Amino acid sequence: QKEVEQNSGPLSVPEGAIASLNCTYSDRGSQSFFWYRQYSGKSPELIMSIYSNGDKEDGRFTAQLNKASQYVSLLIRDSQPSDSATYLCAWPSGSRLTFGEGTQLTVNP
Amino acid sequence: EAQVTQNPRYLITVTGKKLTVTCSQNMNHEYMSWYRQDPGLGLRQIYYSMNVEVTDKGDVPEGYKVSRKEKRNFPLILESPSPNQTSLYFCASSLSGNNEQFFGPGTRLTVL
Repeated sequence: QKEVEQNSGPLSVPEGAIASLNCTYSDRGSQSFFWYRQYSGKSPELIMSIYSNGDKEDGRFTAQLNKASQYVSLLIRDSQPSDSATYLCAWPSGSRLTFGEGTQLTVNP
Repeated sequence: EAQVTQNPRYLITVTGKKLTVTCSQNMNHEYMSWYRQDPGLGLRQIYYSMNVEVTDKGDVPEGYKVSRKEKRNFPLILESPSPNQTSLYFCASSLSGNNEQFFGPGTRLTVL
């Protein structure tokens, strides 16, 4: 089983819709999770960190962590074309971060 | 401004010609790491360093060397580059290996 699995993409949503991105992980001991956004040819940019069960909101972004079910999700409300990017989840594993393969999101005007 | 810088940003070279990609951070981070990213393969860790003079292999270390003589710098060395090392390279830093990492802008390397 992969350490981290992201929902298969690509994901396409219309402008103004809610985009939902998911990650499942195998290590029950993980205490924190990170979401990165990566535009094509650019470096990953940290957009959300979540450390405890429940929801964390930051503007149009909401991260949800469910440790019992071992998944973390990112909701993007009122999606904009500028949100079109690849989204990577990551979590600490030993002395490093493990990254998911990413979900490519396209927001159509 | 807190940042990770990499140089050069773009490099075209030939097989066998030694090169160094520099990485520097100004956040006093203990942990630094190098990744390569290739289409369909995601981010793969090459080497990482948990502190000065402490480095360790990541997932794809073959053909690469690193050093960490100062806290702020973590250069990536390709002693004899080959075409299969053509890739997009990222340096990243964090407080520790368990914290969120901050990435440099990337170096696009082409080896002919």
